Amino acid sequence: NAGVTQTPKFRVLKTGQSMTLLCAQDMNHEYMYWYRQDPGMGLRLIHYSVGEGTTAKGEVPDGYNVSRLKKQNFLLGLESAAPSQTSVYFCASSWGTDTQYFGPGTRLTVL
Amino acid sequence: AQSVTQPDIHITVSEGASLELRCNYSYGATPYLFWYVQSPGQGLQLLLKYFSGDTLVQGIKGFEAEFKRSQSSFNLRKPSVHWSDAAEYFCAVGPSSGGSYIPTFGRGTSLIVHP
Repeated sequence: NAGVTQTPKFRVLKTGQSMTLLCAQDMNHEYMYWYRQDPGMGLRLIHYSVGEGTTAKGEVPDGYNVSRLKKQNFLLGLESAAPSQTSVYFCASSWGTDTQYFGPGTRLTVL
Repeated sequence: AQSVTQPDIHITVSEGASLELRCNYSYGATPYLFWYVQSPGQGLQLLLKYFSGDTLVQGIKGFEAEFKRSQSSFNLRKPSVHWSDAAEYFCAVGPSSGGSYIPTFGRGTSLIVHP
């Protein structure tokens, strides 16, 4: 039982490049979330999903897109990376309103 | 809209001393309340949660928290801090049944433990 895994762990991009972050969970959770964490800002919700095939915007969705084609996977895409998207990205999953389980994070640097 | 305030950005304690981390929330209904801990370079892990019932809840690693509705608070406590407790602590308000699905996190309190 791996819990929540994130791929990759680290990535460096140049401005304008695109990439996809993959989140996978093996707990059969309906809800999945993408957060970014910046110093002094806590966790900010980017997008979330309440089930396969559904997505919704969070607090800071601009510049990101997501897809939930399979229940166990939640993808976060950056179409044209900007330095302001340098951050640590966390994926989480949960059974509805209960405890969120977090992945180990992806550290992204945009030059 | 719901909100969570953690008034202390940093707290420094000596090993063996007691600890209290403050959390205040704003929520229109009965909240679900959580405390998470984040060790350096890792994701968040649940310490404890409150949904209903006894307002004093016990968690892992010797932590406890008390829900006080009249003060809109859910403060985290530990009687004796260990050096391994040095980490970032986040309070969160969970979405209530039938409400928004979006949980809200505080900005976190960084705990520094002196030997």
